[in-house]
Amino acid sequence: EAQVTQNPRYLITVTGKKLTVTCSQNMNHEYMSWYRQDPGLGLRQIYYSMNVEVTDKGDVPEGYKVSRKEKRNFPLILESPSPNQTSLYFCASKEPGITEAFFGQGTRLTVV
Amino acid sequence: AQSVAQPEDQVNVAEGNPLTVKCTYSVSGNPYLFWYVQYPNRGLQFLLKYITGDNLVKGSYGFEAEFNKSQTSFHLKKPSALVSDSALYFCAVRDIYNTDKLIFGTGTRLQVFP
Repeated sequence: EAQVTQNPRYLITVTGKKLTVTCSQNMNHEYMSWYRQDPGLGLRQIYYSMNVEVTDKGDVPEGYKVSRKEKRNFPLILESPSPNQTSLYFCASKEPGITEAFFGQGTRLTVV
Repeated sequence: AQSVAQPEDQVNVAEGNPLTVKCTYSVSGNPYLFWYVQYPNRGLQFLLKYITGDNLVKGSYGFEAEFNKSQTSFHLKKPSALVSDSALYFCAVRDIYNTDKLIFGTGTRLQVFP
């Protein structure tokens, strides 16, 4: 089954404690991205990757890092989380062009 | 600036009645438009897209969307709503500068009452 898998689904952490949210896709897609979803703001892109070892900032990259060492994986790293990063995070993948994106089930992160 | 607006935070409709979820866009050139649906505790699922051609686009689960260039709108419709259609709906437009990126609206919660 074609899917994008994120882990963990839920995470509560404390300010400043480094964390990683993993994302893996099994569709051999070149393009992957991370979004955060906040009430009244919709989804905003954090980072994206056009292929292995190619990453770039989206609209709200501050406080986040990513890496793309393998085509299937695109982890999101918060080196020093802060409460304003409390949000619902989605990973997505797609083929280049006017194609639909496939989304993971989301990770609900709470930073206290 | 490119943007998508969903003017209604919530739409309520009775089961069996037609439903419309509104979306307007602002983008230079020809827009490429999408609708996604988010069920509780699930990721976003693709419903349909408009690229070019027929202004009425048919998608999954009986949904369709009407593209109107003069009104810069792309409203989502369904002739007969189901309770199971209750979810959060997002309209999106492809970014003209980063062509694999989607610019999303703020979402509209659809509530279908039995």
